[in-house]
Amino acid sequence: IQMTQSPSSLSASVGDRVTITCRASQSISIYLNWYQQKSGKAPKLLINAASTLQSGVPSRFSGSGSGTHFTLTISSLQPEDFATYYCQASYRNPYTFGQGTKVDIK
Amino acid sequence: EVQLVESGGGLVQPGRSLRLSCAASGFIFDDYAMHWVRQAPGKGLEWVSGISWNSQDIGYADSVKGRFIISRDNAKSSLYLQMNSLTTDDTALYYCAKPKTLAPGSLDYWGQGTLVTVSS
Repeated sequence: IQMTQSPSSLSASVGDRVTITCRASQSISIYLNWYQQKSGKAPKLLINAASTLQSGVPSRFSGSGSGTHFTLTISSLQPEDFATYYCQASYRNPYTFGQGTKVDIK
Repeated sequence: EVQLVESGGGLVQPGRSLRLSCAASGFIFDDYAMHWVRQAPGKGLEWVSGISWNSQDIGYADSVKGRFIISRDNAKSSLYLQMNSLTTDDTALYYCAKPKTLAPGSLDYWGQGTLVTVSS
């Protein structure tokens, strides 16, 4: 299974609505995770099963989609959200990651 | 508190082998599958390998299949990655990761990683 994210990078301002897309090369139902990684840190699981927000993750993050098309939305970008975001297929081995989307300050 | 502590990284020549370890604590280790994920310098995340709780289901990325071997010792709450025939493309920070309950591919705890540098 190949995972393709778009865009690979984006520049945005605090308060902007940001959407990142992830496409799977074949259907993975809702077996899709989103991670956030800040520089020098281990990744953090934000969303699993396409839309289930993890405990402690702010509600401005949301996920949607099924099959082959998924989105991660940040409704109002905050300074602490500038990071790289990865999608990951979790249907079965191999648990492939997308190539990442870097969100930086405009 | 869940803790995952990787060790065994270092500088190794191309063609040589290295064995990584991950010591787990703070959860019932043999209730969970476990995974290795790597990140080359300045690059994205790459899932490397995963192993079920009872070692019956094992998977590898195509890039390491036939060279790397994942294993675990539930009595020692430890995960391992035997890396053979290393190439410069294997240079990366290697993370050990634990999945969520009932979601074997959703990684909710990660170690801090151990750095493997393959160079002559």
